[in-house]
Amino acid sequence: GQNIDQPTEMTATEGAIVQINCTYQTSGFNGLFWYQQHAGEAPTFLSYNVLDGLEEKGRFSSFLSRSKGYSYLLLKELQMKDSASYLCAVTHASGGSYIPTFGRGTSLIVHP
Amino acid sequence: DAGVTQSPTHLIKTRGQQVTLRCSPISGHKSVSWYQQVLGQGPQFIFQYYEKEERGRGNFPDRFSARQFPNYSSELNVNALLLGDSALYLCASKGSNYGYTFGSGTRLTVV
Repeated sequence: GQNIDQPTEMTATEGAIVQINCTYQTSGFNGLFWYQQHAGEAPTFLSYNVLDGLEEKGRFSSFLSRSKGYSYLLLKELQMKDSASYLCAVTHASGGSYIPTFGRGTSLIVHP
Repeated sequence: DAGVTQSPTHLIKTRGQQVTLRCSPISGHKSVSWYQQVLGQGPQFIFQYYEKEERGRGNFPDRFSARQFPNYSSELNVNALLLGDSALYLCASKGSNYGYTFGSGTRLTVV
């Protein structure tokens, strides 16, 4: 099976930097997603890492270490609108397909 | 370009009833996945379909079933509803790239 662990809740100040960690255990690893989900809305895609290293996309960056089963999402210059749940999802091979399995999400609260 | 569309948006059912949820993927996307999300949790995988064939099934009872049609739209059926089935049901479609795009979901309440 798959085991994904991320903190339940984090708080940060507007303008600051926050790092959300995700650790995982899985077989047949085929990539890791980060999604953002505002309350009552659908998850929206932020990033995808399949190789080790850092992927940067504007204010958001995502890092992956496959050997350590570890990823983080880095959010810079935090804005109030970044208050949301951040979901880590690990894709594993299953029956000829690749299935994303989600963690329980990290609720980020950005305050002034 | 329309995104992933799901219907209905909200639904209230009584215990023991049956429900059918519908999903239309992004045009050209052949893969559809279904997820259940209860409040405060991440989405839990239910089914994945590709080209009308089931490619994956999560740890859900046989009361849950799904199918995919020739136009790649999909239905999720849940029989003998329980109070614990109350959740947001999300559909995600995937094209040739790696990204999954989610619909806005169907909020099911079982009373």
